This record gives sequence, C-alpha cells and structure tokens, in this order.
Amino acid sequence: GQNIDQPTEMTATEGAIVQINCTYQTSGFNGLFWYQQHAGEAPTFLSYNVLDGLEEKGRFSSFLSRSKGYSYLLLKELQMKDSASYLCAVGVPGANNLFFGTGTRLTVIP
Amino acid sequence: KAGVTQTPRYLIKTRGQQVTLSCSPISGHRSVSWYQQTPGQGLQFLFEYFSETQRNKGNFPGRFSGRQFSNSRSEMNVSTLELGDSALYLCASSPSRGNTEAFFGQGTRLTVV
Repeated sequence: GQNIDQPTEMTATEGAIVQINCTYQTSGFNGLFWYQQHAGEAPTFLSYNVLDGLEEKGRFSSFLSRSKGYSYLLLKELQMKDSASYLCAVGVPGANNLFFGTGTRLTVIP
Repeated sequence: KAGVTQTPRYLIKTRGQQVTLSCSPISGHRSVSWYQQTPGQGLQFLFEYFSETQRNKGNFPGRFSGRQFSNSRSEMNVSTLELGDSALYLCASSPSRGNTEAFFGQGTRLTVV
C-alpha cells in the first residue's frame, strides 16, 4: 500500500518562514507534488520534484530526498493569504493518479 | 482557456438514491481523474479515464462508477447512496497520462441525508 504522512496542523506568524514536512512509503516513485487548497476551493499546483534537491519558485521552495522518502515545502515571508491546506502527493509508476497525504492546515497569524 | 468545470457545485441527496456528477476537463486534456475528499481521509483516488477507457481504479465499492465521452467530458455515478458518501468530489484533468501536473476543478459537495 501507499503511506504518506504530513502534520495535520501548523501555525506560523506573518513574515516568518515555515517548513511543512512530508514522508512517504510507496510502491515505486514517479515524482512528488505539492498542492495548495484554500477552504472551499480547488487544489492548485505548487511544485513537482522528481530528482533529489531543492526547487525554488519565488517564496515557495520544495525539497526531495528519495533515499529517505522525505520532502518538505518551505514558505518564506509568510502572508495572511498563505493560510490554506497544503497537500503532499506522490505519483507511482504505471498509474496516472496521485496518492495524497491528508494535508496540513496552515494558519498564518498577525 | 477555461479551467476544469464540475457540475453541480452542491448536491443534497437521500440515502438509497443515486447521483451523477459531471466534469468538463480543460480543452485538449484527455485524462480525467476523480477523487473523493473527506476531512479525515484526505483525497482518495476513485478512477481515471483516458480516451474513453477506465485506465485505473482506486479501492472503492462497485457503487462508484464512471465514464468518459469522446469529447473527454466525464461523469461519475454513485448508486445506493450511504451517509458515508458525503464528501467533496474532485475532478482533475491532465494533458496526457504519466503523472503530469493535474488541474483540479472546484469540486461537487455531496451531502447524503
């Protein structure tokens, strides 16, 4: 089976940096995705990692270590609008679907 | 370019009824996947359609079914509804198969009473 773990909730202060971790154990690996989902809205794509290392995209960065089954999403210069759920998802070979963690609800406070 | 469109947005049904949800993918996208999202379980994969054929199926009972039309629009059907089927049903489209970026619709919020 597939197992993807991430913290349920996190709180951080506006302007700060927050790191959301994700660990996975899957039957194969074909990339790790991060999505952002605001309440009542569709998940939107944030990042995709298939090789080890850090991918930076503006205020958001995502890191992957395949040997450790570990990824994190780093959000810098937090803004109130970053309050949302962050979903970690893994693709596996032979399937076109993603396996999702339960999501991390991030609350940004003033 | 229009995004993924799901209809209806909200639905209330009674136990035992059946329901059909619709998804129109982004123009040119041929792969459509369906997910169920509940607070405790997160997003769980239901099935994927590509070129009018179901290519992959998640671990859901046979009451959950779907189909895809020649224009790539997809429908999913749930028969004999149970209270536990209350969830947000999300549709995602991709240009092709192979774990490319998936674009999600707003979802259909189904409440079974």
